[in-house]
Amino acid sequence: DIQMTQSPSTLSASVGDRVTITCRSSQIISNWLAWYQQKPGKAPKLLIYEASSLESGVPSRFSGSGSGTEFTLTISSLQPDDFATYYCQKYDSSSPSYTFGQGTKVEIK
Amino acid sequence: EVQLVESGGGLVQPGGSLRLSCAASGFTVSNYYMSWVRQAPGTGLEWVSIIYSSGTTYSADSVKGRFTMSRDTSENRVYLQMNSLRADDTAIYYCARLPGTYFDLWGLGTLVTVSS
Repeated sequence: DIQMTQSPSTLSASVGDRVTITCRSSQIISNWLAWYQQKPGKAPKLLIYEASSLESGVPSRFSGSGSGTEFTLTISSLQPDDFATYYCQKYDSSSPSYTFGQGTKVEIK
Repeated sequence: EVQLVESGGGLVQPGGSLRLSCAASGFTVSNYYMSWVRQAPGTGLEWVSIIYSSGTTYSADSVKGRFTMSRDTSENRVYLQMNSLRADDTAIYYCARLPGTYFDLWGLGTLVTVSS
């Protein structure tokens, strides 16, 4: 199985900060990597798909990058509405299977 | 409106069965891959099962042989039949749509609690 490692698990930041979250895969996964935002008591919301494509309606301060085994979600200027937990998710065609990272909670500093 | 609405969750004893339902509106389930994803209390997301537009299904190793996903095109619904339930199956179960290798539409979820 391809393992996903998401870091950090918790991140403390202030409004206006640039925030970066990383997911690393144990094997090359092409660009089949997505990012989601989840707020308490709510369903996850798709932000980025295929590593760098911004989902319709998602603010442009969110961006995704990377390929191969290392991927990054960047929030260019953190807003009050962005305090939430973020998950990466990979697709593995060999199984097939869909695996989520462990999550990163973005807290107010 | 394009949405997914889950139902069927509840309290069940260990070893029991439950069938979850997911009603889709605004699109046709057979034109997409559809999936179930769960989240145990205070933890992260875990993919459970998927049904492709062809009707082929796959499940995570943790539920293989116990959970079965199906689809009713006339009702525009997908289902998750859960048998031999265990305490570690306790979670919110989300229905989700996949246009490709990612989940673009999620329901609100239904809570399954396995306890005696």
